[in-house]
Amino acid sequence: AQSVTQLGSHVSVSEGALVLLRCNYSSSVPPYLFWYVQYPNQGLQLLLKYTTGATLVKGINGFEAEFKKSETSFHLTKPSAHMSDAAEYFCAVSEGQAGTALIFGKGTTLSVSS
Amino acid sequence: NAGVTQTPKFQVLKTGQSMTLQCAQDMNHNSMYWYRQDPGMGLRLIYYSASEGTTDKGEVPNGYNVSRLNKREFSLRLESAAPSQTSVYFCASSGSRAPTNEKLFFGSGTQLSVL
Repeated sequence: AQSVTQLGSHVSVSEGALVLLRCNYSSSVPPYLFWYVQYPNQGLQLLLKYTTGATLVKGINGFEAEFKKSETSFHLTKPSAHMSDAAEYFCAVSEGQAGTALIFGKGTTLSVSS
Repeated sequence: NAGVTQTPKFQVLKTGQSMTLQCAQDMNHNSMYWYRQDPGMGLRLIYYSASEGTTDKGEVPNGYNVSRLNKREFSLRLESAAPSQTSVYFCASSGSRAPTNEKLFFGSGTQLSVL
């Protein structure tokens, strides 16, 4: 069965600094990988996804993630943090088979200070 | 464009009471999901329905039942609520039968407290 580990439940950065949120996965088949963001009192929104093809994936709001099979990782990055990036971020994995569902990590809360 | 609609938004129950959380989507999606979110635990899948007429258990199904009433609606029932079921519940849907290249659309959540 697939699983997701997000390293660090809370990450703090200064405005303008690099954002790096770590995600490692376990899957018995080539995975489909996702990053979602949750702003306070809202549901989750998709940031980006990797299914096949190019391993560097670009998403909304300047975020990107790189699929590294050898490291079983899918870390999320943004070159320059903005105050509006403060939110909770979830990495998720799917084995992509019909009838399966997404499995989420425990989440990482990103704080951005001025 | 409503997307995924959950009702109610807030609910307080006493231990042993029953209730049903309602979810409806207007995007003609095949798959629907119920997750619960707890601090430090992320989102955990309770049940899902890959297509109308089918339901499957997720990671934490105990104490819950679901009904895929039709393609639009997927309800979650707590038969005898327990304090451990205090949580925020999210319904989600996706167009495909598996979330491969289709993103999940989430409702705004139901905050449930069981006293």
